[in-house]
Amino acid sequence: DADVTQTPRNRITKTGKRIMLECSQTKGHDRMYWYRQDPGLGLRLIYYSFDVKDINKGEISDGYSVSRQAQAKFSLSLESAIPNQTALYFCATSDSTGSQPQHFGDGTRLSIL
Amino acid sequence: DAKTTQPPSMDCAEGRAANLPCNHSTISGNEYVYWYRQIHSQGPQYIIHGLKNNETNEMASLIITEDRKSSTLILPHATLRDTAVYYCIVRGGLDSWGKLQFGAGTQVVVTP
Repeated sequence: DADVTQTPRNRITKTGKRIMLECSQTKGHDRMYWYRQDPGLGLRLIYYSFDVKDINKGEISDGYSVSRQAQAKFSLSLESAIPNQTALYFCATSDSTGSQPQHFGDGTRLSIL
Repeated sequence: DAKTTQPPSMDCAEGRAANLPCNHSTISGNEYVYWYRQIHSQGPQYIIHGLKNNETNEMASLIITEDRKSSTLILPHATLRDTAVYYCIVRGGLDSWGKLQFGAGTQVVVTP
């Protein structure tokens, strides 16, 4: 979904490094989410934000932090990367009204050696 | 959020309709049925969602049974580009905090 842009698309780094994944959206949505996907598993929610001042932990937030710099930007940081954080990371957005679905970016493939 | 059950895989011939079933027998009154698909390693793509009534958009149709315990996603004329994993998800609407619970989904393979 070109309206949700994730950078970088691929990243290889070493254990212990600090990494930031960025997400920006042009959909004007209030809500933004970060998920990770491991091979053969479904998506798991890391953090979500309902607006700039509202950030919440998801089911697997340990080892991660986020920053909502603006309505359109939501970044995910790994303070000290470890190999089991190797995964595919997706950002998603949704409107805050009713049943509005989430729209996903194309993902960041992160490998930690 | 209600749990869903989908067949693990199904094949479909190109040009034919693909009918993907989903059971959600524990769905509650304020929960919607959403369908997404994921083409290998790409971001999940929203397809369609509904509450009670059947829905149709440019991608697909969603048929929800009267008791809301099951639904069917219909891709009217499957193409090779429709090969993907399809996820049926049930969750609340306005009151939900937005988490999407992705299960294993149905791997759909469209063949020439």
